[in-house]
Amino acid sequence: DQQVKQNSPSLSVQEGRISILNCDYTNSMFDYFLWYKKYPAEGPTFLISISSIKDKNEDGRFTVFLNKSAKHLSLHIVPSQPGDSAVYFCAASAFGAAGNKLTFGGGTRVLVKP
Amino acid sequence: DADVTQTPRNRITKTGKRIMLECSQTKGHDRMYWYRQDPGLGLRLIYYSFDVKDINKGEISDGYSVSRQAQAKFSLSLESAIPNQTALYFCATSDGGLAVSYNEQFFGPGTRLTVL
Repeated sequence: DQQVKQNSPSLSVQEGRISILNCDYTNSMFDYFLWYKKYPAEGPTFLISISSIKDKNEDGRFTVFLNKSAKHLSLHIVPSQPGDSAVYFCAASAFGAAGNKLTFGGGTRVLVKP
Repeated sequence: DADVTQTPRNRITKTGKRIMLECSQTKGHDRMYWYRQDPGLGLRLIYYSFDVKDINKGEISDGYSVSRQAQAKFSLSLESAIPNQTALYFCATSDGGLAVSYNEQFFGPGTRLTVL
């Protein structure tokens, strides 16, 4: 039973428009959330994170929103660029979890069309 | 130079063979992890280690074993490979500190393993 779910396996968006990626979680102990980006033949790289004490974190074109009551977070990319085409993974962690373990969602493949 | 390296990058083997995947890091991190990635399932944790003498099972450790030979090296073994272990395998590290980004993990480039 997946504790972190990304229900959209793929997303296609026009260059310059907004990309919105969604992530739902079931474990109320999760208190830190991360987004990773993965290009083919490379390992995932950290993109942005948010603590459960916040509801928004922004870094340049990337903004993550957290709705704790709904156990939902989203990643907004605006404006989208062709270089943003990649697979994006949502991940969650619980403070004090042994090994700082991350639980990952299944990923969303984003294609940004020029 | 890459901070986290994995060898081999690709491997094809047969059912029943013993396989070892190697991971090395130059980040000086204490914590190391092994994940496998399957389509639609994201990354799932196999094993993790806090230091040389520490080994912990993840959510899918059956059929795998690990060895932490040194702070910088963490190897994953498949004692008797089976086809459903065909996957992309990633090694990761983290510093485990109390900084805000303590959860952040740094990943190697992955090893694509095919078991025939």
